[in-house]
Amino acid sequence: GAGVSQSPSNKVTEKGKDVELRCDPISGHTALYWYRQSLGQGLEFLIYFQGNSAPDKSGLPSDRFSAERTGGSVSTLTIQRTQQEDSAVYLCASSSHLDWTSYEQYFGPGTRLTVT
Amino acid sequence: KQEVTQIPAALSVPEGENLVLNCSFTDSAIYNLQWFRQDPGKGLTSLLLIQSSQREQTSGRLNASLDKSSGRSTLYIAASQPGDSATYLCAVKSNAGNMLTFGGGTRLMVKP
Repeated sequence: GAGVSQSPSNKVTEKGKDVELRCDPISGHTALYWYRQSLGQGLEFLIYFQGNSAPDKSGLPSDRFSAERTGGSVSTLTIQRTQQEDSAVYLCASSSHLDWTSYEQYFGPGTRLTVT
Repeated sequence: KQEVTQIPAALSVPEGENLVLNCSFTDSAIYNLQWFRQDPGKGLTSLLLIQSSQREQTSGRLNASLDKSSGRSTLYIAASQPGDSATYLCAVKSNAGNMLTFGGGTRLMVKP
């Protein structure tokens, strides 16, 4: 079946502009994660959604970052007033939590964000 | 706070060699450990997942082992091929928390 999809694949924006990144998880997966991969910091967790529970926002680096997940499926990560240090690859992953063996995370291809 | 380290950071081997990639983690209270492959400019492909109660997992030429008490995992690649060239990442899911914590990766080059 279809994997995790993300759009756009590449985004170039000017410093100070807002951007929205989209993630479409694997159908039926209740958990959705956002991660960021940058040269200096490696791969780091941003935010986690599980069903109708309150999201785990503990990884968001500042209040300029927010995310929502509508209808338990598609998620949008929004970065307001972008800064050059926001330049990175933003990766989305999903997993099924139906049983103890199914916490395996499946990743999308990522969105490469460049802030000029 | 969980910390994950991968050694070496880069590795270059001739085709056909067997090789071992190492991953260590500081907090042994883990739920599972995943090994991923990442090709340049691409996302992550899951290779193997080991539950905390398991000692190893195998898929084709890949074998991953887990020693939870010592905080170590290894990824063994048999008979390496140029197509194995990529960055290999290990990540742990701790019992506390929902996210994966990643190591810095090992960049592997297999020369024909």
